[in-house]
Amino acid sequence: GESVGLHLPTLSVQEGDNSIINCAYSNSASDYFIWYKQESGKGPQFIIDIRSNMDKRQGQRVTVLLNKTVKHLSLQIAATQPGDSAVYFCAENILPKDDKLIFGTGTRLQVFP
Amino acid sequence: DAGITQSPRHKVTETGTPVTLRCHQTENHRYMYWYRQDPGHGLRLIHYSYGVKDTDKGEVSDGYSVSRSKTEDFLLTLESATSSQTSVYFCAIAGQGVEAFFGQGTRLTVV
Repeated sequence: GESVGLHLPTLSVQEGDNSIINCAYSNSASDYFIWYKQESGKGPQFIIDIRSNMDKRQGQRVTVLLNKTVKHLSLQIAATQPGDSAVYFCAENILPKDDKLIFGTGTRLQVFP
Repeated sequence: DAGITQSPRHKVTETGTPVTLRCHQTENHRYMYWYRQDPGHGLRLIHYSYGVKDTDKGEVSDGYSVSRSKTEDFLLTLESATSSQTSVYFCAIAGQGVEAFFGQGTRLTVV
């Protein structure tokens, strides 16, 4: 069935280092992927997305990599800052057949000085 | 927050009572979603809507019903609340093939 999972429930990094958050998905028909950031007491916020016809996409300090061969997605955050501390979720969608957005359990990123 | 409002933001209710949560959008987006978020489970899809009066079940739909009589409102109803439905509920909206935007959440406690 459809599922999205994350390898690491908690990631601790030092301020200024790069962070890498990983995600595995099981549905090979998924063709749209999104990373969300959720701070305590708030709803998830969009960070970056990628479609299945791409293998890399860059934003401001963030890069998403997609490896369809092994059904793996990663979020890279450059020069991690204290404000990056949050829970990060990957989500997958199957378009246009099915617009259900399915989330993984999340990874908590902790940034220490 | 992308024109999406959830109400109420907090609610405490007794077991066995009906509860309705409201999601209101001003973006005219086609898709609307209800999720629940529990520790260790991330965000789980309850129901979603792909148009007025068009809804479908998600992963954890048992005990919940939804209605969408107009584009801007998506209602989630717990017909008879149970303690297992204590959770934080998030509504999200999306256009075709683009990212979803989330509301601030509703914290529901069933006692």
